[in-house]
Amino acid sequence: QTVVTQEPSLTVSPGGTVTVTCASSTGPVTSGSHPNWFQQKAGQAPRALIYDTSNKHPWTPARFSGSLLGGKAALTLSGVQPEDEAEYYCLLYYGGAWVFGGGTKLTVL
Amino acid sequence: EVQLVESGGGLVQPGGSLRLSCAASGFTFRTRWMHWARQSPGTGLVWVSHINGDGSNTDYADSVKGRFTISRDNAMNTVYLQLNSLRADDTAVYYCARGGGGGSGWLVDFWGQGTLVTVSS
Repeated sequence: QTVVTQEPSLTVSPGGTVTVTCASSTGPVTSGSHPNWFQQKAGQAPRALIYDTSNKHPWTPARFSGSLLGGKAALTLSGVQPEDEAEYYCLLYYGGAWVFGGGTKLTVL
Repeated sequence: EVQLVESGGGLVQPGGSLRLSCAASGFTFRTRWMHWARQSPGTGLVWVSHINGDGSNTDYADSVKGRFTISRDNAMNTVYLQLNSLRADDTAVYYCARGGGGGSGWLVDFWGQGTLVTVSS
């Protein structure tokens, strides 16, 4: 059973920078895992932020970026805003199925 | 404007069945993969299944394999998820989402608002 692991929680100050990572139990995350990132606020459906490692959707704020970092997929928020407080999920492809990470609760404090 | 509207959720007894629907509009439905994901109360997202544009290719999470079936009707711009042999741990909000296709890349972009399935006696 494939497990995708994220930090359970992170805290960042307004204006700061934070990186959320996404690791795979099967080995290093590569571009072939087609990492996607989503933001979800309480009571709302998920909102897509990043696809195929680093590509932004038209609505994705410029302060969000995606990359591969040390064998993991990474989502970096630069110049964090109070409205960025939310749960963040990665999604990885495993040649036929997709698996979500467990989610990272980001607190802006 | 892309819209995805799920329906069909409700209360069902353990062992029962339910069919969820997701009506799509605002894009060329037949060219896109479509996904179902779920989220149990207070927990994270779980990918459930996907289907390609012409319905010839489907995959499932291990937790639902053999119990759930995804299908689509491109004439009706609708994707379905048939839920059989339901268990209490299938209780969740079920979301449909649009996937890639037509050169758009490996993505999941637009999501519906979800439909709640509650499995309880």
